[in-house]
Amino acid sequence: AQTVTQSQPEMSVQEAETVTLSCTYDTSESDYYLFWYKQPPSRQMILVIRQEAYKQQNATENRFSVNFQKAAKSFSLKISDSQLGDAAMYFCAYRLGGVADGLTFGKGTHLIIQP
Amino acid sequence: DTAVSQTPKYLVTQMGNDKSIKCEQNLGHDTMYWYKQDSKKFLKIMFSYNNKELIINETVPNRFSPKSPDKAHLNLHINSLELGDSAVYFCASSQDSDAIYEQYFGPGTRLTVT
Repeated sequence: AQTVTQSQPEMSVQEAETVTLSCTYDTSESDYYLFWYKQPPSRQMILVIRQEAYKQQNATENRFSVNFQKAAKSFSLKISDSQLGDAAMYFCAYRLGGVADGLTFGKGTHLIIQP
Repeated sequence: DTAVSQTPKYLVTQMGNDKSIKCEQNLGHDTMYWYKQDSKKFLKIMFSYNNKELIINETVPNRFSPKSPDKAHLNLHINSLELGDSAVYFCASSQDSDAIYEQYFGPGTRLTVT
């Protein structure tokens, strides 16, 4: 079974600084997708960024970027110019390609933004 | 317009009762899901439903059953509620079952069993 590990239960960063959230996963498959979801206090799940395993180029969405290291099975999220609205739980997730299955989530990292 | 909606948002009930949570999506998606988020915020897939094909996570008790009256709805029925069923339940949908398609989540239903 696939597993996703987020080793940082909580992270804190000063506003406008950069923070990196870690994620590792375990799989023997080659066709899969990785995601970062944000869950603010409103509890709504919001997709932040997505990475296809077959793509070598790291995904980027505005201030959010990933460092995808396929051989190391690592998928970290970098948030640049942190803003107060970035404060939330961040979940790393994995999904196997080609099957009708759900997301496998990590346990989450609580990100605190210090003003 | 709300893409994925759930009713109710909060549900408080007693052990042993039977309850349902409704989910509707207006995105025209073919695949819907139910996730459970426990008190430690851990999210776990319960069901995937696509074109009448149901994939069940083997850890889900058979007291839980999804029912889809049509493509836009996937309701969750829970029989004989237990204290451990207290959690936030999220419905989600995606255009198709392939992993390339983004899953859109509903706002969640917080279930409290007393």
